[in-house]
Amino acid sequence: EIVLTQSPGTLSLSPGERATLSCRASQSVTKTYLAWYQQRPGQAPRLLISDASNRATDVPDRFSGSGSGTDFTLTISRLEPEDFAVYFCQQYGTLPLTFGGGTKVEMK
Amino acid sequence: EAQVVESGGDLVFPGESLRLSCSVSGFPFSSYAVTWVRQAPGKGLEWVSSISASAITYYADSVKGRFTISRVNSMNTVFLQMNSLRLDDTAVYYCAKVSRLGFHYYSFDVWGKGTTVTVS
Repeated sequence: EIVLTQSPGTLSLSPGERATLSCRASQSVTKTYLAWYQQRPGQAPRLLISDASNRATDVPDRFSGSGSGTDFTLTISRLEPEDFAVYFCQQYGTLPLTFGGGTKVEMK
Repeated sequence: EAQVVESGGDLVFPGESLRLSCSVSGFPFSSYAVTWVRQAPGKGLEWVSSISASAITYYADSVKGRFTISRVNSMNTVFLQMNSLRLDDTAVYYCAKVSRLGFHYYSFDVWGKGTTVTVS
């Protein structure tokens, strides 16, 4: 099983600041089959990024993903108030599909 | 607009059974794989099971042998039959559509609001 470790657990930032979230895999992720999701309180997850760097439909361009192999990054260039949420990474290259434990981006 | 709606969640005793339903609309259901993902209270996301467009099924080890996923294309519905429920099956269960045509599993681009299963 590929274990995904997200860091930091919590990121305290102010609107307008840049957020950098990390997702590290215990083994190489097949073909950069890695996604990022945003989850606001009481809501379902929302797909942001597929294939490590491809933004999903209607996702603002302040969200960007990068990485390959075992190290992946989600960057939010300038935080908007609606971006304060929990973010999960997921790999879908190898069964079982696995998610990271999440990074909470909270308002400082 | 693509939509997914889950139903069937309930409060049950350990050892009992429950069947969840996932009704979809707004996309060619028979062409896409669908998955169930769960989230225990205050916890992260856990993949449960997936079913391809051709009805090939996949399960997490934690539910293998107890849960069965199926689909009825004429009803635009996926089911998750859950038997021998345990305390640690307590979670919100989300149904989600695979984002890429032709793949048995991938990222998930359309999610329902979830249905709550409580085993107590």
